[in-house]
Amino acid sequence: EVQLVESGGGLAQPGRSLRLSCAASGFTFDDYTMHWVRQAPGKGLEWVSGISWNSRAIGYADSVKGRFTTSRDNAKNSLYLQMSSLRPDDTALYYCVKASRDQQLEGYDYWGQGTQVTVSS
Amino acid sequence: DIQMTQSPSSLSASVGDRVTITCRANEGIKNNLSWYQKKPGEAPKRLIYTAYHLQSGVPSRFSGSGYGTVFTLTISSLQPEDFATYYCLQHSGYPWTFGQGTKVEIK
Repeated sequence: EVQLVESGGGLAQPGRSLRLSCAASGFTFDDYTMHWVRQAPGKGLEWVSGISWNSRAIGYADSVKGRFTTSRDNAKNSLYLQMSSLRPDDTALYYCVKASRDQQLEGYDYWGQGTQVTVSS
Repeated sequence: DIQMTQSPSSLSASVGDRVTITCRANEGIKNNLSWYQKKPGEAPKRLIYTAYHLQSGVPSRFSGSGYGTVFTLTISSLQPEDFATYYCLQHSGYPWTFGQGTKVEIK
């Protein structure tokens, strides 16, 4: 059974940093591209970032580019999101998401339950 | 960047109604699109991938169509458990983009 378990969320002050983690199990982690998606309170889903299996291809939304860094450790079956220079509009539930084998055609097949990030002074 | 315009933003419908939601891309994305259902307190769930393939385990009342720039999600006969928010997602290239969402409410 595929499981994606996020952790690391919490309350952070504006301008500070936070690191999210996602522990993956139930599939061969280093075969798949992984993503982060967020949902702010009362808002829609927003794609944040994606990272290829070998970390050679990484994409970011314009809203986080230059502030967030996505990485992975295939030996630990883990995905990370380093968030810096946090702003109140980064407040959201952050989901770790697994892409399908052909992600361009198929999108996502599994989602974690999310970890809440609140940015406030 | 590819923009996805989803409509309507909300709709009210009755059990048994046929419901259609549309997503338009500002440039061609072939069939690199999927649809997700989101209920409060739950993770999103994929309904359709590659524009029209039904996800395993999803009821056949859900269907998808389209290619290029215009895509639709249809629920042929709305059921009580279908009241939720629906999103399209284009995955033609980074940055990926979601539609704004369509909230389906009970009339």
